[in-house]
Amino acid sequence: GAVVSQHPSRVICKSGTSVKIECRSLDFQATTMFWYRQFPKKSLMLMATSNEGSKATYEQGVEKDKFLINHASLTLSTLTVTSAHPEDSSFYICSAPTDSRAAQYFGPGTRLLVL
Amino acid sequence: RKEVEQDPGPFNVPEGATVAFNCTYSNSASQSFFWYRQDCRKEPKLLMSVYSSGNEDGRFTAQLNRASQYISLLIRDSKLSDSATYLCVVSPSPFGNEKLTFGTGTRLTIIP
Repeated sequence: GAVVSQHPSRVICKSGTSVKIECRSLDFQATTMFWYRQFPKKSLMLMATSNEGSKATYEQGVEKDKFLINHASLTLSTLTVTSAHPEDSSFYICSAPTDSRAAQYFGPGTRLLVL
Repeated sequence: RKEVEQDPGPFNVPEGATVAFNCTYSNSASQSFFWYRQDCRKEPKLLMSVYSSGNEDGRFTAQLNRASQYISLLIRDSKLSDSATYLCVVSPSPFGNEKLTFGTGTRLTIIP
């Protein structure tokens, strides 16, 4: 069964609005979660590393003020796309390792369409 | 140069055939290696880890050559359900619990 869940699975919004995406680990605690983005026919690109109890670490070129990450608990990380624009339309996927010595499992993803 | 390079395909292979994918990576400090599969409009799912000694899981065999920085995946007796995009993935951590770097994927279609 799924070990990582995401909500919502799909979002359509108007340009300028903010969108929050939740990533939850199921039946395990995740001190670290990862947020990726995938554009059509492109590979997944890491956006940021979400750390429970501390600030997220952003990859080069990813605006931290636009993509707000909050890792409020050991089972929940949220990504908020602020003032979304059409170019932010993408497939956003989170992942988490089930423990410190394990490979990562991915959530089902959130498909964002900004009109 | 991309960190992880794969032939994008598409590979169109008849059912029952054997197919092989290759991947090269540029960061010699990479510590762990994986193959994920991604179905259309879905999240990636871990297929198998890849070890230097080579490892097999049913019809799937993966191989790693650290000296050449080359990873391979072999699928025997291919099934229709094997149709997907196969992603070569590397990580700087020994267990893959840190940043993952993905190749662009190789698209495989199994033909009845």
